[in-house]
Amino acid sequence: DAGVTQSPTHLIKTRGQQVTLRCSPKSGHDTVSWYQQALGQGPQFIFQYYEEEERQRGNFPDRFSGHQFPNYSSELNVNALLLGDSALYLCASTRGGSGGYTQYFGPGTRLTVL
Amino acid sequence: AQTVTQSQPEMSVQEAETVTLSCTYDTSESDYYLFWYKQPPSRQMILVIRQEAYKQQNATENRFSVNFQKAAKSFSLKISDSQLGDAAMYFCAYLDSNYQLIWGAGTKLIIKP
Repeated sequence: DAGVTQSPTHLIKTRGQQVTLRCSPKSGHDTVSWYQQALGQGPQFIFQYYEEEERQRGNFPDRFSGHQFPNYSSELNVNALLLGDSALYLCASTRGGSGGYTQYFGPGTRLTVL
Repeated sequence: AQTVTQSQPEMSVQEAETVTLSCTYDTSESDYYLFWYKQPPSRQMILVIRQEAYKQQNATENRFSVNFQKAAKSFSLKISDSQLGDAAMYFCAYLDSNYQLIWGAGTKLIIKP
């Protein structure tokens, strides 16, 4: 039973560039959430996708966008990168219906913006 | 808005001893879920234990147990027989009605051999 997978593991970009991070949920899960974790801090919720729609969104600018595919995998896109976007980006999956309250996390993507 | 507070930035414990990590939260909701996650240096966030607010019984998973005090909005994690592999950052998290996790700042747990 494959867990949540994320790619790439590490990424280095320069200011102003765009980046796409990818996530495949745990088998049987249909809901994907994305979190940003700055160094030394707890994660911050970016948004959640369910049934290919953005269901909830945290306090992040429109530069952060996402997508969910019919196979439930998801992408996080960040445009016009800023130095402050450097962080660990975590993807979590769960089942969208009742009982699916526990989120399981992938290993994360470390993004460095120079 | 809900908030989660972990007042201990760092805790240390002797191997095989017991340690308790503190967490308090603020909410106006009556039904919710609380979690403890562990994040070792490998960075992956690993579920330790979960508690449903409507259940009075404290959750237990092997050496890990919680002390859930709903009226006091307190949710502490007790680790018994601490092992070197328990060393990690521990995060307390609250699942709000919009299905997003609200996180504390974390407690770094150091295990002394």
